[in-house]
Amino acid sequence: DSGVTQTPKHLITATGQRVTLRCSPRSGDLSVYWYQQSLDQGLQFLIQYYNGEERAKGNILERFSAQQFPDLHSELNLSSLELGDSALYFCASSPGQGALSGNTIYFGEGSWLTVV
Amino acid sequence: SQKIEQNSEALNIQEGKTATLTCNYTNYSPAYLQWYRQDPGRGPVFLLLIRENEKEKRKERLKVTFDTTLKQSLFHITASQPADSATYLCALSGNTPLVFGKGTRLSVIA
Repeated sequence: DSGVTQTPKHLITATGQRVTLRCSPRSGDLSVYWYQQSLDQGLQFLIQYYNGEERAKGNILERFSAQQFPDLHSELNLSSLELGDSALYFCASSPGQGALSGNTIYFGEGSWLTVV
Repeated sequence: SQKIEQNSEALNIQEGKTATLTCNYTNYSPAYLQWYRQDPGRGPVFLLLIRENEKEKRKERLKVTFDTTLKQSLFHITASQPADSATYLCALSGNTPLVFGKGTRLSVIA
């Protein structure tokens, strides 16, 4: 158990809908990362927050947004969902700024999203 | 653009042998290189980190090398066991968050 908690574990929704994925980082970790994993693309970095501020942005679509709250939990909002958004979404956390300082990051078990 | 390639999608090896996985990268100067293990449907789990000024790192049956001239890392599992069967991901970082390769699926056959 990495200490990173993600909910929900599984989600099935229709095209055009909006969903919110939630992440609680490990106790004491200030950075939260979101990754998307699909069979053909591998693990793709979406976005990083550090202590409530956006720190780095990857291949995140405009239909997606995220935020980190004062209690350090984070939410990833996916809207106008398309079939191609079906994937496993991972949240990860690290104590400091993570990769920028060589820290390892700790992954949750992921949220399976199926868009039908 | 940055590119990370892991030598093969799948690797089958006999129990007891040494598994060697390769990670090559281009258009990148990572300060750190990490290896993760991922089991089906689970989150990746950190295994080893090696810095750009280190040539080799060991942890129990695992060994990682990092050649910044060749832009390559080798990941070795000695005395492999069926429990080592998983997907292994190479990840690079420096001035960006971790960027992952697509992974190599290792199957250790008893």
